[in-house]
Amino acid sequence: DTEVTQTPKHLVMGMTNKKSLKCEQHMGHRAMYWYKQKAKKPPELMFVYSYEKLSINESVPSRFSPECPNSSLLNLHLHALQPEDSALYLCASSSGTGRQYFGPGTRLTVT
Amino acid sequence: QKEVEQNSGPLSVPEGAIASLNCTYSDRGSQSFFWYRQYSGKSPELIMFIYSNGDKEDGRFTAQLNKASQYVSLLIRDSQPSDSATYLCAVPSPGADGLTFGKGTHLIIQP
Repeated sequence: DTEVTQTPKHLVMGMTNKKSLKCEQHMGHRAMYWYKQKAKKPPELMFVYSYEKLSINESVPSRFSPECPNSSLLNLHLHALQPEDSALYLCASSSGTGRQYFGPGTRLTVT
Repeated sequence: QKEVEQNSGPLSVPEGAIASLNCTYSDRGSQSFFWYRQYSGKSPELIMFIYSNGDKEDGRFTAQLNKASQYVSLLIRDSQPSDSATYLCAVPSPGADGLTFGKGTHLIIQP
């Protein structure tokens, strides 16, 4: 079973809103990731959690705030986003072999 | 020099033929290599991974790795219209427990 689930599938939010993206995996994987993918571009790594410890990508604006409540759950809290933040947000998990399995993604539109 | 490079295509291949996708990487220390398939509007799906020089076969897919020349390729035999997608090459990100992707090759299988 290589299933990673993400909610919601679609999200439209205003620039003053606060929202959260959720990700869950039940494969016992030790690492979880957030990626951002713009149209016709490859996924770009945002954050990594390994054994629930955060590795920060310094180029990610502070309006994106990750959280790992436990080894199966990963959240991405969004606040004061800009229209250019509209993208597909992908969650992935890995057992440490390097092989990463992606969830279906949340398509975010910032108006 | 970009870390992972792919020809963006589109690469058009007739149905039943062999599709050949190529990828070069800059970090000689890379030890693992991944191929993802991404259909339009969907998330990336891991289809092949390879760690050692040589060929690795899985069904209609063959991954080839040449570390001395720093390239990895993906061959798809007996191409089907359902193989039409973007194929992303990925390597572990230097200094981070994530993946760095190439821009992807858009493959079109012509019936």
